[in-house]
Amino acid sequence: KNQVEQSPQSLIILEGKNCTLQCNYTVSPFSNLRWYKQDTGRGPVSLTIMTFSENTKSNGRYTATLDADTKQSSLHITASQLSDSASYICVVRNTGTASKLTFGTGTRLQVTL
Amino acid sequence: KAGVTQTPRYLIKTRGQQVTLSCSPISGHRSVSWYQQTPGQGLQFLFEYFSETQRNKGNFPGRFSGRQFSNSRSEMNVSTLELGDSALYLCASSLAGTSGANTGELFFGEGSRLTVL
Repeated sequence: KNQVEQSPQSLIILEGKNCTLQCNYTVSPFSNLRWYKQDTGRGPVSLTIMTFSENTKSNGRYTATLDADTKQSSLHITASQLSDSASYICVVRNTGTASKLTFGTGTRLQVTL
Repeated sequence: KAGVTQTPRYLIKTRGQQVTLSCSPISGHRSVSWYQQTPGQGLQFLFEYFSETQRNKGNFPGRFSGRQFSNSRSEMNVSTLELGDSALYLCASSLAGTSGANTGELFFGEGSRLTVL
């Protein structure tokens, strides 16, 4: 069964600090993996997309990594800001005619002063 | 370019009633997919429409239905509402859809927050 697990469920960090969010998946065969940011009461917004051949991709202070062998991805946030407070959702797509998206339950990040 | 528009943003219903939610995709996008989001459950896929045809369906009871019009706008309907239907309902549009060989990015609307009393 295709599954995406994210950890931690929630995280509180001080402004200016770095943090790393984890995503482990069992989706197979793998097509791509996306990280979305969802502000409270808003719709998710795509941060990065990674395909099988990509190990790392950055979007400003957000850097995603992918290890297709261990089926793990991480999202690293550098020099966190209050506006980074949100839920971060990992979404994995499998390949083939039955290609589907599998969603993680997200990590809730709170950045405080 | 206007984003995905969902209406209404908030609504309150009572058990047994029915509700219709609307989604206008980004201009040019032919795929619309719907998701239910509840705390702790994450995003649960409801269904996807592409060119007025339901292309994919999640594991929800028949009380949940949808349709897509020729202009790609979509509606979803929930009949005989239950307390457990209280959730944020998100609509997403993409050029190519969520299934098949294409890997189109999903663009989400702001959601419709449904509360069932």
